[in-house]
Amino acid sequence: QKEVEQDPGPLSVPEGAIVSLNCTYSNSAFQYFMWYRQYSRKGPELLMYTYSSGNKEDGRFTAQVDKSSKYISLFIRDSQPSDSATYLCATTHNAGKSTFGDGTTLTVKP
Amino acid sequence: IAGITQAPTSQILAAGRRMTLRCTQDMRHNAMYWYRQDLGLGLRLIHYSNTAGTTGKGEVPDGYSVSRANTDDFPLTLASAVPSQTSVYFCASSQQGSGANVLTFGAGSRLTVL
Repeated sequence: QKEVEQDPGPLSVPEGAIVSLNCTYSNSAFQYFMWYRQYSRKGPELLMYTYSSGNKEDGRFTAQVDKSSKYISLFIRDSQPSDSATYLCATTHNAGKSTFGDGTTLTVKP
Repeated sequence: IAGITQAPTSQILAAGRRMTLRCTQDMRHNAMYWYRQDLGLGLRLIHYSNTAGTTGKGEVPDGYSVSRANTDDFPLTLASAVPSQTSVYFCASSQQGSGANVLTFGAGSRLTVL
């Protein structure tokens, strides 16, 4: 079993829709939870991260972590065509190494 | 612009040939990493270096070697390329010890082994 499992997608939504991207993890030692965004033929770039449980909001994006159920979510409000990308969840613990989900490819149609 | 530079951007290589992918960072990060990304398999860690002069094996190290002679450079060498090493390779760096250990990635090197 992989340490981080991500809903595989692909996901296609109309412009303006609310998008929910989800991951689960197995190692309770993980403390930091990241979301990276990767545009086609580019490297991943950090979108946002949270520490431990709770919510973090940044504009149209909200990251949510529930450590009791080991569940990670990213919500995108009012989705735009420019949000079309692959989204990768990742976790980190004290040793510093990151573990990635396989990614979910999102397409937002105008 | 601060970041990571990878070279080459893409390369077609005959099986059995030796190849070195170059990676340079200008952020003075202590840690550097090499990942490969394959469809359906996500990002897999090949090798990493927590600081100059040290290296470690990741999830899929076989067939690859790395060196870290200084802070900025972290080349990845395929001693004798095989078709299963066809992939997109990403170099990344981070400042370990800073909590979240956020990775900064390069733009990738697309390698095809025939």
